[in-house]
Amino acid sequence: KQEVTQIPAALSVPEGENLVLNCSFTDSAIYNLQWFRQDPGKGLTSLLLIQSSQREQTSGRLNASLDKSSGRSTLYIAASQPGDSATYLCAVRADTGFQKLVFGTGTRLLVSP
Amino acid sequence: DARVTQTPRHKVTEMGQEVTMRCQPILGHNTVFWYRQTMMQGLELLAYFRNRAPLDDSGMPKDRFSAEMPDATLATLKIQPSEPRDSAVYFCASGPTGGNSPLHFGNGTRLTVT
Repeated sequence: KQEVTQIPAALSVPEGENLVLNCSFTDSAIYNLQWFRQDPGKGLTSLLLIQSSQREQTSGRLNASLDKSSGRSTLYIAASQPGDSATYLCAVRADTGFQKLVFGTGTRLLVSP
Repeated sequence: DARVTQTPRHKVTEMGQEVTMRCQPILGHNTVFWYRQTMMQGLELLAYFRNRAPLDDSGMPKDRFSAEMPDATLATLKIQPSEPRDSAVYFCASGPTGGNSPLHFGNGTRLTVT
């Protein structure tokens, strides 16, 4: 059974800092990995999707990497802003069966001005 | 801007009552997921549909929960009878076939069962 863990559970940083969020998964047979952002009282917004054959994806100040063999992904946020404050979740899609999307428990990020 | 629409946004009900949550997936998306989010368990997959057919509902308590897609524009999740432990936020998400595109989530239905 796939298990997805995110560290740290919470993170508080001053504006302008570069930061790294970590995601690890137990079964390396994945189809892809997605990073989502969730604002309070809202649904999830997809940030980046990395296919299992890819090593990284970039969008603006966000960069996500994937090391499938070691079961790890990182989300790098450059020059953090107060508007980046949210909960960040990673999710892995299974390579077999019905391709379930299994979520981590998230990292709650607070960027203070 | 296409989006997944969920109704109602909030629902407060008494234990034992029936609850129906609705989801309108993005037009053209043929995979639909129902997730439940709680502080303790995080996001749990309840049901997964492809082309309106249920593929996986192993995460759903069968005795009280049921999920259907009467047509391509509507997915429903019913709880009968509801219990206080069902209190959570229920999310619907849709995506195109193939799994190479990101899922799009609705804003959820916050259910409180007293």
